[in-house]
Amino acid sequence: DQQVKQNSPSLSVQEGRISILNCDYTNSMFDYFLWYKKYPAEGPTFLISISSIKDKNEDGRFTVFLNKSAKHLSLHIVPSQPGDSAVYFCAASDSSNFGNEKLTFGTGTRLTIIP
Amino acid sequence: EPEVTQTPSHQVTQMGQEVILRCVPISNHLYFYWYRQILGQKVEFLVSFYNNEISEKSEIFDDQFSVERPDGSNFTLKIRSTKLEDSAMYFCATTGWLASPLHFGNGTRLTVT
Repeated sequence: DQQVKQNSPSLSVQEGRISILNCDYTNSMFDYFLWYKKYPAEGPTFLISISSIKDKNEDGRFTVFLNKSAKHLSLHIVPSQPGDSAVYFCAASDSSNFGNEKLTFGTGTRLTIIP
Repeated sequence: EPEVTQTPSHQVTQMGQEVILRCVPISNHLYFYWYRQILGQKVEFLVSFYNNEISEKSEIFDDQFSVERPDGSNFTLKIRSTKLEDSAMYFCATTGWLASPLHFGNGTRLTVT
């Protein structure tokens, strides 16, 4: 039951370039999407979110794009920095069900920034 | 910045034993969750808790699992009789209001032998 998929288990990007992480979902009830970042031995840390009424949300170096017709979202990090090296999880929820209380996560993409 | 605190960081237990995982939420948060991540797999929802009762639970959260907030501060996850397949990282998460991002603790690594 993979309702949220991150098809790239790993990604390497040169420092200063753009990192693009992708996520696909299958459940058309999902209407709130989040990206979390995780370092080893720590819990996931919230990065950025987007509601289905938008197609883009930007916060500093991080931008999330949502394509509802394709059921696809992406996270852009520019410029990439060494501290961005981590595992990135895409998560989704159905806000009609009391908000974001049940997040469905993807399997994660390990991003490595090469100095 | 306020943090969600989980204890212990690592718990080793024998199969069939009871374990209690503890979480101290961020002080003004009202919605509490447990998630787990089996090694190499995705983070999975277990249960959500609001106003001293479970609001939703997953298929994983069977009769062996229970949650409570006994003293108004700690939020606990109890596994009554652990199985080998319960070995995982267990994350507590909290939020102050609905449709806002969850804040996760650093997790408890549970190893069942």
